[in-house]
Amino acid sequence: SQQGEEDPQALSIQEGENATMNCSYKTSINNLQWYRQNSGRGLVHLILIRSNEREKHSGRLRVTLDTSKKSSSLLITASRAADTASYFCATGSNDYKLSFGAGTTVTVRA
Amino acid sequence: DVKVTQSSRYLVKRTGEKVFLECVQDMDHENMFWYRQDPGLGLRLIYFSYDVKMKEKGDIPEGYSVSREKKERFSLILESASTNQTSMYLCASRPHYGSGNQPQHFGDGTRLSIL
Repeated sequence: SQQGEEDPQALSIQEGENATMNCSYKTSINNLQWYRQNSGRGLVHLILIRSNEREKHSGRLRVTLDTSKKSSSLLITASRAADTASYFCATGSNDYKLSFGAGTTVTVRA
Repeated sequence: DVKVTQSSRYLVKRTGEKVFLECVQDMDHENMFWYRQDPGLGLRLIYFSYDVKMKEKGDIPEGYSVSREKKERFSLILESASTNQTSMYLCASRPHYGSGNQPQHFGDGTRLSIL
């Protein structure tokens, strides 16, 4: 079942701008993960944030998690053409499953 | 780096055929997964295997079966292919330790068309 829902569905920005996308979920989680998918390829793991963490950074990526609002955001700073991709959030509980959202498609214009 | 290899990038089959999708990982991961990806629906879990010869149904197992005879290989079988099984199929693997707190590593997918 689809737990995470990304917003917006699509985003178009100029190179150098920041891109922000949000993820909301319904039930309690153990962790939340963000993945990137380039066109026609598999998913690549970007970052994992645990339920007891509020913010995490990795290079130009910043992820926040608000468990009281059941939401997360992914910020990509100083975007590049190579950031053009679909981005998915996935929520993990204490079992093996990840529940993926439908994704945000980001287009970075040169 | 973990490498998850799916045997075919593109596959075209006919309705009623038995279809095999193969996935191999090279990092000795215990857990392996099969998903299908359809526009607007995200990834949906078909089957999961937590170790050799072990399997569990995911959210949409109907019309599919799986086989895990060796740790590195996880096969998805469409018993009698139908047009509604046209989709992108993604395989993933993950180490077992740490329970859900581990990222999954994905193959590049197989785009399957059933005519």
